[in-house]
Amino acid sequence: GQNIDQPTEMTATEGAIVQINCTYQTSGFNGLFWYQQHAGEAPTFLSYNVLDGLEEKGRFSSFLSRSKGYSYLLLKELQMKDSASYLCAPQDSNYQLIWGAGTKLIIKP
Amino acid sequence: GAVVSQHPSWVICKSGTSVKIECRSLDFQATTMFWYRQFPKQSLMLMATSNEGSKATYEQGVEKDKFLINHASLTLSTLTVTSAHPEDSSFYICSARELAGGSDTQYFGPGTRLTVL
Repeated sequence: GQNIDQPTEMTATEGAIVQINCTYQTSGFNGLFWYQQHAGEAPTFLSYNVLDGLEEKGRFSSFLSRSKGYSYLLLKELQMKDSASYLCAPQDSNYQLIWGAGTKLIIKP
Repeated sequence: GAVVSQHPSWVICKSGTSVKIECRSLDFQATTMFWYRQFPKQSLMLMATSNEGSKATYEQGVEKDKFLINHASLTLSTLTVTSAHPEDSSFYICSARELAGGSDTQYFGPGTRLTVL
């Protein structure tokens, strides 16, 4: 079956660094998305990885290891506005999104 | 966890035809479902909020006569793209909102890829 596993909740301090891990099992693979979702809002696209390695975009970076079925989202210099849910969503062989339950990130001053 | 399904997963149609996409919450009741559209590597764009038993609420710029939404039951919402044109080709994603045990959670469907020729 298809499965996504990411932590339910994480807490970090403003200005710090946090890594949100995601492991997945899918029928085929056509890339992996990370989204940020604030309560009551639509998910915002953060990153898309299809090849192994690290993709850096400002304060956010995303890493993918296809052989391990593993990805992480790295957030640096955390700001209070980064408090949100972070969704990991790989695409299977039919380009269907397989959604994780999301990680609720709480940032404390 | 809760599961949301969409049908079909992909569809190819001719310009001018109508396409219906179903969104179902499989193991919970959803009084509210959301319809999104996603362009490649972009954020999900909320199109409309579908409430069971009442008319959908459309976001600004979304044509309600073109994207017909019907929330027929607590587990089913449908989006019909009427008189589809190539510019309607996109990835349509629904989500269902579950209110249970004091929590408010949104579960996303796998998406429907629409290609209009």
